[in-house]
Amino acid sequence: SAVISQKPSRDICQRGTSLTIQCQVDSQVTMMFWYRQQPGQSLTLIATANQGSEATYESGFVIDKFPISRPNLTFSTLTVSNMSPEDSSIYLCSVEFLAGSSYEQYFGPGTRLTVT
Amino acid sequence: AQSVTQPDIHITVSEGASLELRCNYSYGATPYLFWYVQSPGQGLQLLLKYFSGDTLVQGIKGFEAEFKRSQSSFNLRKPSVHWSDAAEYFCAVGGIYGGATNKLIFGTGTLLAVQP
Repeated sequence: SAVISQKPSRDICQRGTSLTIQCQVDSQVTMMFWYRQQPGQSLTLIATANQGSEATYESGFVIDKFPISRPNLTFSTLTVSNMSPEDSSIYLCSVEFLAGSSYEQYFGPGTRLTVT
Repeated sequence: AQSVTQPDIHITVSEGASLELRCNYSYGATPYLFWYVQSPGQGLQLLLKYFSGDTLVQGIKGFEAEFKRSQSSFNLRKPSVHWSDAAEYFCAVGGIYGGATNKLIFGTGTLLAVQP
């Protein structure tokens, strides 16, 4: 498994501003993922971030709104740009590890974002 | 398209009683299946997974799940629930891309309450 930390753990932001969320892993991983969990709902994948390449975004998510950086194998950032109250969610990063002969995804503690 | 259905939004059980949380999936091939638990204010913790082989899988905290291909189900069970099991439980299905699980599709979650 891995120890995954996220910063900030929570924030309250004004509409129109941007927030950058950091995800740090204690070991090197190839694949990192960013998910959104809107209030009372399940998790939805925003994008996959591989080191050394552009992030791959899921349908409904665009780079201009959610730019992602992946400068090395232990770190990634997600920026929520030009925020609106609809962006109020928990944002989680996850990493994938090979465990035995299969893969497992482990999640960070999440960043709770409230946009006013 | 891949999808996951958790038909029970909210379940209440008495402490010491048995528990079964339902999960049905739609996937074109043999899926990778997971159960995660999210405690209040916490990130997601992996309880167990099914990749192949024995259809009854054991996980942490005394949980088990059974993969039934004929019913497209992966129900989570525990013989005796503890008050600390109160949390939200998510079933997820993963696809195979280049050997990795890659994106996870989550169900809507089941919120478990435990009565003393």
